[in-house]
Amino acid sequence: QVQLQESGPGLVKPSETLSLTCDVSGGSIISDNWWSWVRQPPGKGLEWIGDFHHTGPINYNPSLKSRLTISVDKSKNQFSLRVTSVTDADTAVYFCAGTVRNWGPGTLVTVSS
Amino acid sequence: DMQMTQSPSTLSASVGDRVTITCRASDNINNWLAWYQQKPGKAPKLLIYESSSLENGIPSRFSGSGSGTEFTLTITGLQPDDFASYYCQQYNYLWTFGQGTKVEIK
Repeated sequence: QVQLQESGPGLVKPSETLSLTCDVSGGSIISDNWWSWVRQPPGKGLEWIGDFHHTGPINYNPSLKSRLTISVDKSKNQFSLRVTSVTDADTAVYFCAGTVRNWGPGTLVTVSS
Repeated sequence: DMQMTQSPSTLSASVGDRVTITCRASDNINNWLAWYQQKPGKAPKLLIYESSSLENGIPSRFSGSGSGTEFTLTITGLQPDDFASYYCQQYNYLWTFGQGTKVEIK
């Protein structure tokens, strides 16, 4: 059973960069899966951020694309998310996922000075 | 852009009720439709995939149906543990979520 775990700072200042990592265990990041990031602002719905396949393609939510970078470290079996120039609107629980059935527990990131 | 329209946004029901949640896609997504249950502070939990396939370990009171652009999640015999939020998601091309339905106690 593939397990995912998000990690990163819980507090980021406005205009700075949010950086998160997702550690994958029980499965390989170079398997035939797409790996995703999803976020959920407090009290609101789920928003897809982006995904990638280890062979190369990376997809981003068009509404966030200019501020996003998803990268992968195959040697560590983990992938990462960077969101630049954050504002209050980026405060959310961030989830990583591998297929529709494997999700991490999520990590809350608050944007505040 | 793909849009997923989910209704209702809130649903009041009693234990034992049969409840139905609807999700409409703005374009044909074939059967690439998932339903999730989410409780506060938790990650979404997969209930149904490929429109109507029940995920392992999910009670049979949950069922999904539909194809193309119209999909339904039905809970037959609502249980106390089922009061939660529910989301549909298309994964035909990238991912898009519905707005969510909160099932609350009447």
